[in-house]
Amino acid sequence: EAQVTQNPRYLITVTGKKLTVTCSQNMNHEYMSWYRQDPGLGLRQIYYSMNVEVTDKGDVPEGYKVSRKEKRNFPLILESPSPNQTSLYFCASSFAGGLSSYNEQFFGPGTRLTVL
Amino acid sequence: LAKTTQPISMDSYEGQEVNITCSHNNIATNDYITWYQQFPSQGPRFIIQGYKTKVTNEVASLFIPADRKSSTLSLPRVSLSDTAVYYCLVGGWNQGGKLIFGQGTELSVKP
Repeated sequence: EAQVTQNPRYLITVTGKKLTVTCSQNMNHEYMSWYRQDPGLGLRQIYYSMNVEVTDKGDVPEGYKVSRKEKRNFPLILESPSPNQTSLYFCASSFAGGLSSYNEQFFGPGTRLTVL
Repeated sequence: LAKTTQPISMDSYEGQEVNITCSHNNIATNDYITWYQQFPSQGPRFIIQGYKTKVTNEVASLFIPADRKSSTLSLPRVSLSDTAVYYCLVGGWNQGGKLIFGQGTELSVKP
């Protein structure tokens, strides 16, 4: 089944304890992206990757790191989590089409993170 | 990058047609307009995409006027299961992969 998976789905941690949220897709998509969702703020892009070894900042990258060593995986790293990073996180993937097109993104189920 | 503006919330009744409008005054020539639907505790799901005029699929229609500064998502004969948040996204790979979603419209369908 074509899908985007995220782990863990729920995580409660404490300030300053490094954590990684994994994201994996089995659709051979070039494009992958991380979003956070907060009440009243909609979906905000954190980082994205157009292909392996290519990553770039989205709208709210502060406090996050990513890496894209393999096409299927795009982990989100919080080196020193803080309470303001408590949020619902979504990973998404897509084919990266031609310069004048856009392809639908497939979203994972979400990871609910609480930082105490 | 084109900023989008949508109504925060809308109410409707079962069987009615619902139109949700998104404003995107600074849309770029190569930008596409895409709508996503999100149910609570789930990731957004693609509904429809268009560039200009009208696009229709089995779920919805998308109307885009000639100046492309706005777009309207039309849901025919909504049911309770259409209660969700609907996001308008304007962009394309010409922006290099950076995408900005609007705040979303929370649609509540009542019996």
